[in-house]
Amino acid sequence: GEDVEQSLFLSVREGDSSVINCTYTDSSSTYLYWYKQEPGAGLQLLTYIFSNMDMKQDQRLTVLLNKKDKHLSLRIADTQTGDSAIYFCAEGQTGYSTLTFGKGTMLLVSP
Amino acid sequence: GAVVSQHPSRVICKSGTSVKIECRSLDFQATTMFWYRQFPKQSLMLMATSNEGSKATYEQGVEKDKFLINHASLTLSTLTVTSAHPEDSSFYICSARGLAAGTQETQYFGPGTRLLVL
Repeated sequence: GEDVEQSLFLSVREGDSSVINCTYTDSSSTYLYWYKQEPGAGLQLLTYIFSNMDMKQDQRLTVLLNKKDKHLSLRIADTQTGDSAIYFCAEGQTGYSTLTFGKGTMLLVSP
Repeated sequence: GAVVSQHPSRVICKSGTSVKIECRSLDFQATTMFWYRQFPKQSLMLMATSNEGSKATYEQGVEKDKFLINHASLTLSTLTVTSAHPEDSSFYICSARGLAAGTQETQYFGPGTRLLVL
């Protein structure tokens, strides 16, 4: 079945760039998503990328996709303490299918 | 746009009672809503998928009679935890996918409901 793997923890200093990595196994994945979850809250959609794209940039966020290696990354430039949260990678075969989530990466930003 | 609300945000109940959680899409129509359960420090576990006007599709291992899902309109789905027990204590999150362009290809999540069964 599908599997999505993420590192569990990342610690950076304020102002640095953060890179959160994700790998997936399903080669038919078409949509790849990044969600952010703050403590006690639901998931906030940050961005998503189609499998026919290599990169997508949205303000401080840059998503890179290596489809050959089934590797997805989320780069946060100029990381702020407010970026501290859990970041989930998710994949879907179509925009209408259920999503498979990774276990989440806890990002801790220190001043 | 694409805001999803849940009510209540927190609920404490006694063992054996039933609890209803509402999920609403506030500014879009949701053809499909999903219910997830999240354990501490873990990822989301999909419980069921519901389409407006039809029966929900439950994931393997999720008891249909215990977790009743109703999706009676394009903006409201409810999850009822029947005869709740302490092991049902968890964080329940819903998400919705819409009809209109811009809401079809992603799931928009509610803020979650923390259930504690004593």
